[in-house]
Amino acid sequence: DGGITQSPKYLFRKEGQNVTLSCEQNLNHDAMYWYRQDPGQGLRLIYYSQIVNDFQKGDIAEGYSVSREKKESFPLTVTSAQKNPTAFYLCASSPLDRGTEAFFGQGTRLTVV
Amino acid sequence: DAKTTQPPSMDCAEGRAANLPCNHSTISGNEYVYWYRQIHSQGPQYIIHGLKNNETNEMASLIITEDRKSSTLILPHATLRDTAVYYCIVRVSMDTGRRALTFGSGTRLQVQP
Repeated sequence: DGGITQSPKYLFRKEGQNVTLSCEQNLNHDAMYWYRQDPGQGLRLIYYSQIVNDFQKGDIAEGYSVSREKKESFPLTVTSAQKNPTAFYLCASSPLDRGTEAFFGQGTRLTVV
Repeated sequence: DAKTTQPPSMDCAEGRAANLPCNHSTISGNEYVYWYRQIHSQGPQYIIHGLKNNETNEMASLIITEDRKSSTLILPHATLRDTAVYYCIVRVSMDTGRRALTFGSGTRLQVQP
């Protein structure tokens, strides 16, 4: 089945540790996105990429890093510089065409203790 | 960049039509309006999108005003499973001239039995 997969669903880390969240898609989409969602809030864009080896900062990129070495994969690293890393993280992908929809993964809930 | 404005919450009786409004007064002529919904702790689910004409699919109808400054998502016969946060988004330009999905705060729809 085609889709977008995030893993793991739940992740726990100690404060001060970097952690990498996985996002894989087999939809042959060019664009991929990372969002953060806090309780009761909407989605905020962290990073996005529209082509391999290129990515752009979103609204809240500080404390995060990404890579796009393959079209199918867009991992997000939450670094120790991120002041409030506990959140729900969502990955999405879409074609570049303006009139096409994006598909979302089921999210990773990161808890830093 | 185009932004959207939605009421924070709405109630609807089960079996009745749910009409969710969205304002996007600064939308540009070639920007699409997308609707997604998010059930608690899941990834957003695509519902429908449109440019100028009204659209209908198996989930909902989208009515876009002639001046494109607002739209309404219609769930014709709401069920309890339609209880979710509904997001109206437009594809916006980021600083680099590329485009990404930007989510507002959405409307929390509560379908009442």
